[in-house]
Amino acid sequence: GQQLNQSPQSMFIQEGEDVSMNCTSSSIFNTWLWYKQDPGEGPVLLIALYKAGELTSNGRLTAQFGITRKDSFLNISASIPSDVGIYFCAGSMNYGGSQGNLIFGKGTKLSVKP
Amino acid sequence: DGGITQSPKYLFRKEGQNVTLSCEQNLNHDAMYWYRQDPGQGLRLIYYSQIVNDFQKGDIAEGYSVSREKKESFPLTVTSAQKNPTAFYLCATGRRMNTEAFFGQGTRLTVV
Repeated sequence: GQQLNQSPQSMFIQEGEDVSMNCTSSSIFNTWLWYKQDPGEGPVLLIALYKAGELTSNGRLTAQFGITRKDSFLNISASIPSDVGIYFCAGSMNYGGSQGNLIFGKGTKLSVKP
Repeated sequence: DGGITQSPKYLFRKEGQNVTLSCEQNLNHDAMYWYRQDPGQGLRLIYYSQIVNDFQKGDIAEGYSVSREKKESFPLTVTSAQKNPTAFYLCATGRRMNTEAFFGQGTRLTVV
């Protein structure tokens, strides 16, 4: 099946740093979603985006629906230790009336700098 | 208590046995999904259902079966035909297809 290209695969953060990650697709998407998953738990929805160019915030998190509809970005400002986890992007597209499924990236693993 | 309930949290089975994972929701969502998660693989879609008594195969349906007899319930059976069943299984629901999906807490299946 199709996959999204999510990067970086992993990154280390120091408390207080800003963090950026992104997802790209070769196809146009109508919906972008961002999730966070803690170890051993199910992913939790952080932000949903439905319109090209849309910029949405949820506390210290900000996500954008790329203007080309082929990418999305997630930024975390002033990171704190509880931001550690795996972040997934997900997108969906419609083909002329036929609905596709949500497609997930492989995740960005956020860890604390030793 | 509202939401999506997956049970059990941990499940151990012997090789060759079928096993059924439970997923129940009280969110009145039409769409329900099953995903499989392996380390470094992200989420892969096994089956999905848009309405009661209807379900479709996802990307990795071989060795799995589902039913959707009630709106609230979407159990997943991992059959002996699944060659590598040890994984973390996630159930999700959505108001309808391609809207936000909400996940349960997952079931970790280990086959020995």
